[in-house]
Amino acid sequence: DTGVSQDPRHKITKRGQNVTFRCDPISEHNRLYWYRQTLGQGPEFLTYFQNEAQLEKSRLLSDRFSAERPKGSFSTLEIQRTEQGDSAMYLCASSSSGATEAFFGQGTRLTVV
Amino acid sequence: AQSVAQPEDQVNVAEGNPLTVKCTYSVSGNPYLFWYVQYPNRGLQFLLKYITGDNLVKGSYGFEAEFNKSQTSFHLKKPSALVSDSALYFCAVRDRNSGNTPLVFGKGTRLSVIA
Repeated sequence: DTGVSQDPRHKITKRGQNVTFRCDPISEHNRLYWYRQTLGQGPEFLTYFQNEAQLEKSRLLSDRFSAERPKGSFSTLEIQRTEQGDSAMYLCASSSSGATEAFFGQGTRLTVV
Repeated sequence: AQSVAQPEDQVNVAEGNPLTVKCTYSVSGNPYLFWYVQYPNRGLQFLLKYITGDNLVKGSYGFEAEFNKSQTSFHLKKPSALVSDSALYFCAVRDRNSGNTPLVFGKGTRLSVIA
């Protein structure tokens, strides 16, 4: 499969726990994006990498959220001290330089109980 | 700032009838415009885009969209709807002059095609 891959697909965690999600982009894509989608809403931008550099962060990305892309390939998104309001679908997308559209993974659905 | 409005939360259409899903946008410069589709518990799937050139853009699964600069609209259309087209549709925009900034999405429109 050569698409964007996200792991896990589903995560249930207790409030206050830390969680980490992984995204593997399409192999030749140097740009990687994280979005969050809640019920009844469109995807909301969280952060964006070009290669290993994190170029932009949304105000939605509180200090409990951190993202990395250490070697410019896969990326991780960590949420510390999860809250019920963090329950959402977390989507990863990637694109190549000069491309306009981004290609999305299947998402990780987080439920905080 | 960029924004997208999808004025209809839900669109219902009979199978075989034409469908339209509306989208209007706001950018400070010229837009790149996109449509994505989302099936239940899945990520977003790219349908089509407008970059430049012809205002009528054709995409996957028989969908097309028409860019109208004066009305700042990019409505999605299909001449004959299928039950399998039932899904959530998202319009997205990026300002062409602001580099590779992330896409900004609308809230989505749920399309229901009834047999």
